[in-house]
Amino acid sequence: QVQLQESGPGLVKPSETLSLTCTVSGGSVSSGNYFWSWIRQPPGKGLEWIAFIYYSGSTNYNPSLESRVALSLDTSKNQFSLRLSSVTAADTAVYYCARLSVGCSSTTCYRKFDYWGQGTLVTVSS
Amino acid sequence: QSALTQPASVSGSPGQSITISCTGTSSDVGGFNYVSWFQQHPGKAPKLIISDVSNRPSGVSNRFSGSKSGNTASLTISGLQAEDEAHYYCNSYTSTSTLEVFGGGTKLTVL
Repeated sequence: QVQLQESGPGLVKPSETLSLTCTVSGGSVSSGNYFWSWIRQPPGKGLEWIAFIYYSGSTNYNPSLESRVALSLDTSKNQFSLRLSSVTAADTAVYYCARLSVGCSSTTCYRKFDYWGQGTLVTVSS
Repeated sequence: QSALTQPASVSGSPGQSITISCTGTSSDVGGFNYVSWFQQHPGKAPKLIISDVSNRPSGVSNRFSGSKSGNTASLTISGLQAEDEAHYYCNSYTSTSTLEVFGGGTKLTVL
């Protein structure tokens, strides 16, 4: 059973950099067909996709956050990480890491966020 | 404002059926069969209940079903149970540079 677990500071000061790590167990971040993702949810609001990273290290970012976001992969620790710079109160949210499974069988193709971490609340405040 | 439009709330009595809509465009919902639905209880992570428009992951009740017509996807829950009370979110791949979009969420109340 694949499990994901977020870790990192729960409080970040405005203008500083938010850093979170997701540790994957029961599966490998080096496997193909998976994009390792970050998604956030401001308190009382909906979900927003932030970015994902492939096992090769290639990344895709939400254009609304692209100038402030960076993802990295540590295959030796089976982890991937998020850095979000110049944070403001608007970045206060529960941050989830998730696995996006993508592929095709002989008859159909699939694309789904099938495993999620429990989420971690990050508050931006001085 | 979310990229996909969902009703803010729906309600139904135990045993009844309800349907939640998710409206997008030809660049997302209408253009691809990559629509997912998630159930989220308070304080919990979203749980995948429907993928690729109508596929139900192993372990998900067959009371949950998905469909799509044009630019609108739908989630139907039949035989409503108290445990179904939660927020529901749709998600779609998009051919725009955003790649993945979500609906604003729908609060389901079981009366």
